[in-house]
Amino acid sequence: KAGVTQTPRYLIKTRGQQVTLSCSPISGHRSVSWYQQTPGQGLQFLFEYFSETQRNKGNFPGRFSGRQFSNSRSEMNVSTLELGDSALYLCASSLEGRAADTEAFFGQGTRLTVV
Amino acid sequence: GIQVEQSPPDLILQEGANSTLRCNFSDSVNNLQWFHQNPWGQLINLFYIPSGTKQNGRLSATTVATERYSLLYISSSQTTDSGVYFCVTGDSGGYQKVTFGIGTKLQVIP
Repeated sequence: KAGVTQTPRYLIKTRGQQVTLSCSPISGHRSVSWYQQTPGQGLQFLFEYFSETQRNKGNFPGRFSGRQFSNSRSEMNVSTLELGDSALYLCASSLEGRAADTEAFFGQGTRLTVV
Repeated sequence: GIQVEQSPPDLILQEGANSTLRCNFSDSVNNLQWFHQNPWGQLINLFYIPSGTKQNGRLSATTVATERYSLLYISSSQTTDSGVYFCVTGDSGGYQKVTFGIGTKLQVIP
């Protein structure tokens, strides 16, 4: 069965713009979580969605937001991009449990470069 | 929240050698996973192992939850094992946030 699909794979944006990333979970998985990976901060948890509701959130500013649709697909949005937002953004899906409690499967990531 | 420490941070091995990667965590956990991040950035699931021992080919893992550590063993290493290995867990208490270790960067040389 298909894995977690993230689109696009690569993005280049200008400071001040906004960006939307997409994540389609494994079929049947209802929980989607997002992560940011940078060389300086490593992998950090952004937020988690289940049944179209955000059920957990990391320590990121309000410029980072997300949503989940009824088919479990999720999008994350970053507004007013800053150079420091350049990172690999990963999403993971799991069946139903919280990402902190259950086995998660990751997509290939979206590499965002802000210039 | 929970703290996750991985050691060593860097490891260089000759092809064919064995190695042990360690992950210590600061609190009780319901979940522990090991991942291998390939050069393209994807995190590949190795083990879901909140407790006990599992083996998959040349790789095996052991988690001793009561002592708050997990070990990943790589035997007869190959150049394709190169990459970064992450230990990932979640706080079973109120925060329930996923926490990654800093990773062990492994380089296997021919």
